[in-house]
Amino acid sequence: DVKVTQSSRYLVKRTGEKVFLECVQDMDHENMFWYRQDPGLGLRLIYFSYDVKMKEKGDIPEGYSVSREKKERFSLILESASTNQTSMYLCASSLGEKQFFGPGTRLTVL
Amino acid sequence: SQQGEEDPQALSIQEGENATMNCSYKTSINNLQWYRQNSGRGLVHLILIRSNEREKHSGRLRVTLDTSKKSSSLLITASRAADTASYFCATDGEDYGQNFVFGPGTRLSVLP
Repeated sequence: DVKVTQSSRYLVKRTGEKVFLECVQDMDHENMFWYRQDPGLGLRLIYFSYDVKMKEKGDIPEGYSVSREKKERFSLILESASTNQTSMYLCASSLGEKQFFGPGTRLTVL
Repeated sequence: SQQGEEDPQALSIQEGENATMNCSYKTSINNLQWYRQNSGRGLVHLILIRSNEREKHSGRLRVTLDTSKKSSSLLITASRAADTASYFCATDGEDYGQNFVFGPGTRLSVLP
């Protein structure tokens, strides 16, 4: 079974802090994705990556950056956290059409 | 931009009843997928239907696709309390490359 893990289930940070969300997959998938999920809005794509050291902006990249130094790891970085970044963050990996999701990180920015 | 929209937003049924959720989308697609999310967890892939398919089954799940109406439905038969979750459709399309776009979801509650 594919396993996608995220570094934290719950995270509380203060406004202005730099936040790192880590995602690791164990199935050698090339594609990895970061989404945020907010009530009534579904999942919105922040960034995705099709290969190591490669990144592409999704629909809502503002205020975020990503890093993919190794194939199995895709990190989401909030350079200076703001309260409107309080959300559920979901990481996914895929090989082809089917996406495999991590359990999510619920981030609260105070 | 949102490609898929699920309907209804919320659905409450009794155990044993069937649950039907619908998804409408705007542009032509290659594939449509349905995912399930238990409260506070990640999404789990349920079923994929290709644009040249009209119906697909997996256990108690039945998915239909009508490309002329740009819509899909997910039917869960003989529902159980454990089916309580949110259900999302995800569509691809020419505008989205290799990505999928998720709708806002249908929240299903199955009452014992």
